[in-house]
Amino acid sequence: EPEVTQTPSHQVTQMGQEVILRCVPISNHLYFYWYRQILGQKVEFLVSFYNNEISEKSEIFDDQFSVERPDGSNFTLKIRSTKLEDSAMYFCASSVSEETQYFGPGTRLLVL
Amino acid sequence: GQQLNQSPQSMFIQEGEDVSMNCTSSSIFNTWLWYKQEPGEGPVLLIALYKAGELTSNGRLTAQFGITRKDSFLNISASIPSDVGIYFCAGCTTSGTYKYIFGTGTRLKVLA
Repeated sequence: EPEVTQTPSHQVTQMGQEVILRCVPISNHLYFYWYRQILGQKVEFLVSFYNNEISEKSEIFDDQFSVERPDGSNFTLKIRSTKLEDSAMYFCASSVSEETQYFGPGTRLLVL
Repeated sequence: GQQLNQSPQSMFIQEGEDVSMNCTSSSIFNTWLWYKQEPGEGPVLLIALYKAGELTSNGRLTAQFGITRKDSFLNISASIPSDVGIYFCAGCTTSGTYKYIFGTGTRLKVLA
């Protein structure tokens, strides 16, 4: 069964450093998303991406964040200058239409 | 902002018992999704609901999209130990957005 994959599974970084989180969505999906989940809290929407551009973003997705689909398979989230409060699980999701979204296993980011 | 309130926050039940949890909001949603999340993993889609009043089953799981479009419930019949996890509802509003609002989660523990 096709699934969303994410790399790395864990990332530790120093505050102020740039990180890139990678996702490979399900191959025939057209909509891509990033969510985050701070430890013990609910899942929060960051951004949606369709047709090579951002469809919508939340107030969390500020200028420190960017997304890119550099080729036909990868979808990346870049955090330009990480802050302590960026520590969280980051989930990529994809969908055929904008409705049913399938999540990847997540990347656990720890900012020291 | 929009919020989805889930209840109960947590449940301890005996194996074999039925479980019911619900999700409510003051906003109208046009799609409801129910996810299960196990520790350290991404949310796994259980059931998707697209129409008000819709009742959908997936094995021992049954979910309904409320007539008012402001609520949804999930039932699990004859619970088993592997049902342990956190159950999240997620709703998409009628404003044509792609982002899903996640509920606060119901943590389920099943005692063998």
